[in-house]
Amino acid sequence: QSVLTQPPSLSGAPGQRVAISCTGSSSNIGSRYDVHWYQQLPGTAPKLLIYDNTNRPSGVPDRFSGSKSGTSASLAIAGLQAEDEADYYCQSYDSSLKTWLFGGGTELTVL
Amino acid sequence: EVQLLESGGGLVQPGGSLRVSCAASGFIFSNYAMSWVRQAPGKGLEWVSAISGNGGKTYYADSVKGRFTISRDNSKNSLYLQMNSLRAEDTAIYYCAKEEMGATTPMVDYWGQGTLVTVSS
Repeated sequence: QSVLTQPPSLSGAPGQRVAISCTGSSSNIGSRYDVHWYQQLPGTAPKLLIYDNTNRPSGVPDRFSGSKSGTSASLAIAGLQAEDEADYYCQSYDSSLKTWLFGGGTELTVL
Repeated sequence: EVQLLESGGGLVQPGGSLRVSCAASGFIFSNYAMSWVRQAPGKGLEWVSAISGNGGKTYYADSVKGRFTISRDNSKNSLYLQMNSLRAEDTAIYYCAKEEMGATTPMVDYWGQGTLVTVSS
């Protein structure tokens, strides 16, 4: 059971918009700690997708966007494409546990 | 180009020991904290351990504290994870991870390809 809660799975049709939630608490996301997002394509290592809640590293399409509000964060993918089929993980830090946190991951299926 | 190349994974019996290594290139290794992150088969990501750029500070997840030791050799641009008293639940792909500090929270900006550690009799 992860401290950061994500939906285990989501699906969407090509061209649609989907949003993946990441819910934490007052000692992590709800505190001063930012959220980062990673994309893991099948059989590969994770890749940084969004950092500091809303920022995209160079090379990440602007179809990917992030937000944070209160004790939750969200990753949105607009104009869904077949190559977006992957696992997505949120990550933050917890001041009570004094540890990095990863969400349990969301498996995104493009129908 | 940043490259992280892990090695040393394999099959080990419960209670045994193993050391995995990571050879880094493409950046000033000593300037960056490094981490190990693992992923059990079919499961999510779990942060394992971190070490500061000069090696003076180390951090561990509760699940490995007292059994695993992280270290680095900046003269060799290498990161290590010594794993003792291994358990079946330590079976995972172990990723070497270069840290970058965000506005408030560290992140992994580069990942290695991972090395598989299997603990089984």
